Amino acid sequence: EAGVAQSPRYKIIEKRQSVAFWCNPISGHATLYWYQQILGQGPKLLIQFQNNGVVDDSQLPKDRFSAERLKGVDSTLKIQPAKLEDSAVYLCASSLETEYEQYFGPGTRLTVT
Amino acid sequence: SQQGEEDPQALSIQEGENATMNCSYKTSINNLQWYRQNSGRGLVHLILIRSNEREKHSGRLRVTLDTSKKSSSLLITASRAADTASYFCATDGSLSNFGNEKLTFGTGTRLTIIP
Repeated sequence: EAGVAQSPRYKIIEKRQSVAFWCNPISGHATLYWYQQILGQGPKLLIQFQNNGVVDDSQLPKDRFSAERLKGVDSTLKIQPAKLEDSAVYLCASSLETEYEQYFGPGTRLTVT
Repeated sequence: SQQGEEDPQALSIQEGENATMNCSYKTSINNLQWYRQNSGRGLVHLILIRSNEREKHSGRLRVTLDTSKKSSSLLITASRAADTASYFCATDGSLSNFGNEKLTFGTGTRLTIIP
């Protein structure tokens, strides 16, 4: 079974630029999550989708971050404009609708200079 | 905000020894999960323990849960070099009974196995 795919793996941008991350979850997984993991910390949930709909985006900085999940499959996370404190690894995860275990992708390491 | 706090923050042991990590959390939970993260890679689910369970085993892993103390421990027996990683506990903190709950991760324990 193919795992969660993410791209790009690494991205370096200057502050105030924009960036987008892509995630393809495991086939058949209805729930998709985006996490932000700052160096030395645990992952923090940014947004959770159930099929096409948003379940939780309470910790998403909506003034600069946006996410969408078209057709309930792939998802993109965008940051515009980026700030220095956005430097982190952005992890995508997915899970079956009735399971608790989340499957994580390899992440995208973002560096904002 | 972090729900779980792992202890210790870092742990180094000799290969073959047992490693114990602890997690404390703040609010009532349905489930507690442990994840492993190798350097530069995503997280891998290790084990889930439900709030009505006290102990669970999976291979060389043993997890305990004490809901009265709001704490859990992860024991890795007969450690191997490949066990070198960061270990995170994650709690759902939800009162709902269905899956796909919002997980809150702790700060992690960095485990180093010395060959």
